[in-house]
Amino acid sequence: NAGVTQTPKFQVLKTGQSMTLQCAQDMNHEYMSWYRQDPGMGLRLIHYSVGAGITDQGEVPNGYNVSRSTTEDFPLRLLSAAPSQTSVYFCASSPPEGEQFFGPGTRLTVL
Amino acid sequence: DAKTTQPPSMDCAEGRAANLPCNHSTISGNEYVYWYRQIHSQGPQYIIHGLKNNETNEMASLIITEDRKSSTLILPHATLRDTAVYYCIVREITGNQFYFGTGTSLTVIP
Repeated sequence: NAGVTQTPKFQVLKTGQSMTLQCAQDMNHEYMSWYRQDPGMGLRLIHYSVGAGITDQGEVPNGYNVSRSTTEDFPLRLLSAAPSQTSVYFCASSPPEGEQFFGPGTRLTVL
Repeated sequence: DAKTTQPPSMDCAEGRAANLPCNHSTISGNEYVYWYRQIHSQGPQYIIHGLKNNETNEMASLIITEDRKSSTLILPHATLRDTAVYYCIVREITGNQFYFGTGTSLTVIP
């Protein structure tokens, strides 16, 4: 099993550009989440999903959209990138009431 | 509001036990205590979790006080590879949202 995979590993955007961060898992987990981690900080929850077709907001959802059309995939969309969104983004998946498995992260810089 | 409080940093001599404290004084009866660690800038790695009993696995032991208001993660024989940021997280039994604090940066010294 590949576990949780994220693409791209690195990305540089200009202010105002849009992009989608990809996240996929092959463990058939119902739960998936997106976090961001700013330098010297812990992870903050952006959005999460408890199953295909169901998403909800976390602590810091503004500026991000998500959708969950399949169990395996949970993309994160930045509609109009801002320098404040420069961060490392982690995706995670878990079974109900189980531990979360994290991907390797995407390092995003917005100029 | 932060659900957990941890010291920002700690040192431990290689080969000795590392004891990492966590305060979660507002924990409710339907919340677990989870511990994760993050090495460099990798994705966090699960260590252990518990509800009210002490737990042990191949990586660590988790000691939860009887009133459940605090816990201690114990790495019995710390190695240099245990240098990482350790996060203590409180999570509802039926929910799946993990709220990370700023964690404890553990440095294992040769």
